[in-house]
Amino acid sequence: NAGVTQTPKFQVLKTGQSMTLQCAQDMNHEYMSWYRQDPGMGLRLIHYSVGAGITDQGEVPNGYNVSRSTTEDFPLRLLSAAPSQTSVYFCASSYSESYTDTQYFGPGTRLTVL
Amino acid sequence: KNEVEQSPQNLTAQEGEFITINCSYSVGISALHWLQQHPGGGIVSLFMLSSGKKKHGRLIATINIQEKHSSLHITASHPRDSAVYICAVLLNYGGSQGNLIFGKGTKLSVKP
Repeated sequence: NAGVTQTPKFQVLKTGQSMTLQCAQDMNHEYMSWYRQDPGMGLRLIHYSVGAGITDQGEVPNGYNVSRSTTEDFPLRLLSAAPSQTSVYFCASSYSESYTDTQYFGPGTRLTVL
Repeated sequence: KNEVEQSPQNLTAQEGEFITINCSYSVGISALHWLQQHPGGGIVSLFMLSSGKKKHGRLIATINIQEKHSSLHITASHPRDSAVYICAVLLNYGGSQGNLIFGKGTKLSVKP
């Protein structure tokens, strides 16, 4: 199993550009989520999904969209990039949304917005 | 106001030393996770605790729900233990992963 994969690993955008961060898992996990990690702060939840066709907002959803058309994929879209979105983004998945299930994290995408 | 506080922020140890990383929280929780973030950035879940103590290899995690405190211990530390260790708490009102609050992490460096 590849686990949780993310592409790209690095990305530089100009303010106002849009892009999609890709996330895929091959473990048939129902729960998937996106976090951002900023210096001096803990991981913060952006959006999450408890199954195909179902998404919901986390703590910091503004400026991001998600969709979950398949169990495997959970892309994160930046609609109009801003410098405040410069961060490292992690996708994670788990069997279910229960806190007792182990979360598996992708390798991260480092995004810089100029 | 930080609901999850980790100490120390940075820790340097010599190989073989016993290491303790602390996590304190100010709210009622139902569970606590410890995670490890490798220097390359990858994040791995180590433990999930709701009471008592868990051990995996050289890693031991303890939690005291009443005192709102958890510790992660590493025995016989090794340079490969160098990483950022992250504490995350699950607030009492939710049983979902979406209700996790993460600490800022403790950066551990183990020198040979």
